[in-house]
Amino acid sequence: GENVEQHPSTLSVQEGDSAVIKCTYSDSASNYFPWYKQELGKRPQLIIDIRSNVGEKKDQRIAVTLNKTAKHFSLHITETQPEDSAVYFCAALGGTGGFKTIFGAGTRLFVKA
Amino acid sequence: GAVVSQHPSRVICKSGTSVKIECRSLDFQATTMFWYRQFPKKSLMLMATSNEGSKATYEQGVEKDKFLINHASLTLSTLTVTSAHPEDSSFYICSATAVAGAQETQYFGPGTRLLVL
Repeated sequence: GENVEQHPSTLSVQEGDSAVIKCTYSDSASNYFPWYKQELGKRPQLIIDIRSNVGEKKDQRIAVTLNKTAKHFSLHITETQPEDSAVYFCAALGGTGGFKTIFGAGTRLFVKA
Repeated sequence: GAVVSQHPSRVICKSGTSVKIECRSLDFQATTMFWYRQFPKKSLMLMATSNEGSKATYEQGVEKDKFLINHASLTLSTLTVTSAHPEDSSFYICSATAVAGAQETQYFGPGTRLLVL
């Protein structure tokens, strides 16, 4: 089945700096890669996603890149703000597991004011 | 976007009792729902796939007799934790698949925090 690895586990940046979180996946058939932001005690919130037919997608300060050949995808947050502090999860689905969402281990992002 | 609800939001029960958690898709029909468990400071771990009108598919290591799943309608899936023990205390989250055109999107419920004393 699908296996998703995520790095780093913790990331601390200064307000205004950029943050990058990287993930790799194992199932080459996976075709949908969402990113979630989770605040303490809350449900994961979808912040951006990318499908396998594109290599990059951007939404204001957030961008995601996908390299299908290498089977890795990354989340880029620019001009970070304290309210960006949360746990971020990458995920992969659509391969042999169908709609099953397999999550990475998560990255705890701290943005220092 | 689509809305998924869960009930209850939190529950405290005594060891040995059973607890039922409901997951509803409020404005769309979902033939497939998923149940996840999340321990503190950990990722969401898929427990099972709930299929409307058929038996659930459990992930490796998840006891199907302990975590009973029923998906009786296109908008409701239930997870029953039977004979709960303190180690079952966790955050349980469901998700439902919404299909729009050729694309599918997962929508998550708000989660249920279970504490077993």
